[in-house]
Amino acid sequence: LAKTTQPISMDSYEGQEVNITCSHNNIATNDYITWYQQFPSQGPRFIIQGYKTKVTNEVASLFIPADRKSSTLSLPRVSLSDTAVYYCLVGGPYGGSQGNLIFGKGTKLSVKP
Amino acid sequence: NAGVMQNPRHLVRRRGQEARLRCSPMKGHSHVYWYRQLPEEGLKFMVYLQKENIIDESGMPKERFSAEFPKEGPSILRIQQVVRGDSAAYFCASSREAGAQETQYFGPGTRLLVL
Repeated sequence: LAKTTQPISMDSYEGQEVNITCSHNNIATNDYITWYQQFPSQGPRFIIQGYKTKVTNEVASLFIPADRKSSTLSLPRVSLSDTAVYYCLVGGPYGGSQGNLIFGKGTKLSVKP
Repeated sequence: NAGVMQNPRHLVRRRGQEARLRCSPMKGHSHVYWYRQLPEEGLKFMVYLQKENIIDESGMPKERFSAEFPKEGPSILRIQQVVRGDSAAYFCASSREAGAQETQYFGPGTRLLVL
């Protein structure tokens, strides 16, 4: 099973760029990398997904090196409202190397004024 | 375009009672997943259903827990004879198809408290 490792917590200040790196050494050929954001008392919210190289949307960028053994979520100019837990997941609903999504403990990002 | 809906949002039960959690997937989604989350923990997969079929229930306790996704109506997660350890947030997610590139969209969750 493709397991992910990410920092337990990170601190940042408003206006800074935040990069959260996730390791997934056992990623399989058909696995995708997906990041979710979760606020307290809410369900996870999809942020971005990628397979290789770089993906960018209106919220974030996702950088994936050629070997795909890691990925970096980049949040440009964070604000206080970006304080949340960020989860890195590998696989996909019954199409990846594992039968279901495995959530780790995520990275707790705290943005300070 | 309504997202995944779950109800109730909060549910209080006494030990030994039954809890029924409902999930309506996004329009056009026929794949439903249930997860449980304890405080300060990540989500743990419980069961995956596709209209009228249970595809994978490997994460669901063998006793007291059951799930269904009927042809008509919401998916139901049922917990019989609840115990204090069942207190948690239960999230439902749905996807349009199953596949590595398909995204799961989550509901707001049901917070179950067992007294």
